[in-house]
Amino acid sequence: TQLLEQSPQFLSIQEGENLTVYCNSSSVFSSLQWYRQEPGEGPVLLVTVVTGGEVKKLKRLTFQFGDARKDSSLHITAAQPGDTGLYLCAGSSGGSNYKLTFGKGTLLTVNP
Amino acid sequence: DAGVTQSPTHLIKTRGQQVTLRCSPKSGHDTVSWYQQALGQGPQFIFQYYEEEERQRGNFPDRFSGHQFPNYSSELNVNALLLGDSALYLCASIRRGPETQYFGPGTRLLVL
Repeated sequence: TQLLEQSPQFLSIQEGENLTVYCNSSSVFSSLQWYRQEPGEGPVLLVTVVTGGEVKKLKRLTFQFGDARKDSSLHITAAQPGDTGLYLCAGSSGGSNYKLTFGKGTLLTVNP
Repeated sequence: DAGVTQSPTHLIKTRGQQVTLRCSPKSGHDTVSWYQQALGQGPQFIFQYYEEEERQRGNFPDRFSGHQFPNYSSELNVNALLLGDSALYLCASIRRGPETQYFGPGTRLLVL
């Protein structure tokens, strides 16, 4: 059974601070996706990383896929209150298998 | 381009009842997955439909069943509802090559 462990589970920071969220597994994934979810809504896709060692930037968000494709990180620079939400990582085994395995998420609160 | 739509948005049922949830994928997406997200948890994969057939199934009892129609829309049926079935039910619309999954807003089910 593939598992994804996210850390930290909860994070409360002040506006302007930097933070990193981690997503780790003992399994290899063909791709990994990061989502942000607001209360009562569905997850919204932020990025998909496919290649080991890949780094993608989305404004103040930087995503990295580990060389062995078992782990990933999300770094946010100068966090803003609008970044508040549940951040979820999800791994896919690829091929015709489109089942996503999700971590439990990191609940981020950015205080003004 | 319409996003993934789900109905109803909220639903209250009592134990033992049956429920049907509906999902319309994004235009051009022929594969739909269903996920259950309990409070404070990441989504858990229920099953996936492609070409009107169930292709993969997660660790859910056969009280959970589904259907896909020729227009790619899908239904999730849950029989003999239990209190533990209370959750946010998410539908994901899947684009192939590279795989990207887009989630609907979800249906919040409360079982009393």
